[in-house]
Amino acid sequence: NAGVTQTPKFRVLKTGQSMTLLCAQDMNHEYMYWYRQDPGMGLRLIHYSVGEGTTAKGEVPDGYNVSRLKKQNFLLGLESAAPSQTSVYFCATVLGLATNEQFFGPGTRLTVL
Amino acid sequence: SQQGEEDPQALSIQEGENATMNCSYKTSINNLQWYRQNSGRGLVHLILIRSNEREKHSGRLRVTLDTSKKSSSLLITASRAADTASYFCATSGNQFYFGTGTSLTVIP
Repeated sequence: NAGVTQTPKFRVLKTGQSMTLLCAQDMNHEYMYWYRQDPGMGLRLIHYSVGEGTTAKGEVPDGYNVSRLKKQNFLLGLESAAPSQTSVYFCATVLGLATNEQFFGPGTRLTVL
Repeated sequence: SQQGEEDPQALSIQEGENATMNCSYKTSINNLQWYRQNSGRGLVHLILIRSNEREKHSGRLRVTLDTSKKSSSLLITASRAADTASYFCATSGNQFYFGTGTSLTVIP
């Protein structure tokens, strides 16, 4: 099992460009999350999904969109990248709220120039 | 605003010593978890303590929870150089709220 994978691992964008980050999981988990991690800020939740076809806003959703068309994939989109979106992005999954243990992907390091 | 806040922000100890990190949170919780992050990696779940538990052990880890003070502590006993990492507490409901982390350095 691959667990939680993220594509790409690194990306450099220019201001105004768009991109999509892909999170894929093979654990059949219901819940999926997108976080960003910035120095001294810990992890902040961007969006999350409690199941296929559902999405919800987290703590810092502005400038991002998400989709969960398939249970195993959770996509994070940046329509018009800004330098403030330079960060490391992590995807995480949870089987269900009863278990609550999050499984994290390796991260995507994004730089917006 | 973030739910959890860890203290201290950074901790440096000698190998073999114990390391204690604290976490404070703001609202009522179902459970509290501790995660570890090695440099450049994703977070790894260490231990979960439920709101009706006061103490939990897992190997060299001991976690306590005081819901009246809205605080938790993580104790790593007999630390090793390989324990060098950042440690985060997280509280959870439908969403998870992470603290800013404690950076632990264990000197061989």
